Amino acid sequence: QKEVEQNSGPLSVPEGAIASLNCTYSDRGSQSFFWYRQYSGKSPELIMFIYSNGDKEDGRFTAQLNKASQYVSLLIRDSQPSDSATYLCAVNLLYNTDKLIFGTGTRLQVFP
Amino acid sequence: GAVVSQHPSRVICKSGTSVKIECRSLDFQATTMFWYRQFPKKSLMLMATSNEGSKATYEQGVEKDKFLINHASLTLSTLTVTSAHPEDSSFYICSARAPGATNEKLFFGSGTQLSVL
Repeated sequence: QKEVEQNSGPLSVPEGAIASLNCTYSDRGSQSFFWYRQYSGKSPELIMFIYSNGDKEDGRFTAQLNKASQYVSLLIRDSQPSDSATYLCAVNLLYNTDKLIFGTGTRLQVFP
Repeated sequence: GAVVSQHPSRVICKSGTSVKIECRSLDFQATTMFWYRQFPKKSLMLMATSNEGSKATYEQGVEKDKFLINHASLTLSTLTVTSAHPEDSSFYICSARAPGATNEKLFFGSGTQLSVL
């Protein structure tokens, strides 16, 4: 089982809709969870991080964490074409909190 | 926000040559830097953790003699791909973190696209 799993997509949503991106992880002891946005040929950019169960909102973005079910999701409200990118989920492993383990990413396409 | 500078952004080289990639933290001291490799449509794979003044820690399956890492100062880490081959063609990204900082304060360089002919 991969340590961090994401659906590769593409996930296509119309402009103005809510995009929902999901991520599951295998290390039950993981404590820190991150969502990065990556445009093609560019480096990742941190969008959200979350440590506690529940929801965390920042502007149009909401991260949701459910440690019991070992999943973390990212909701993007009022999706814009400029949100079209690959979204990477990253998790700190319990045995090495220095390391970030990345999922393969979900490609999001927002069409006008 | 903090800036991590990575150079070159793109390099094309012949098979068998060596390529050096630099990663600099411009406005903070980074005792720890990380090097990743990303193949097309794949995720970032951690190659090694670079610690200032000590040997790098390589991930399983990464050849330390092929991917030489030097972290000689608190603001500079270098990755040298020795005797590069076409299968080494990839996007290499570094990241850096200040001492004591947690991973929400991890900053990425802009990446280096390596193409080996």
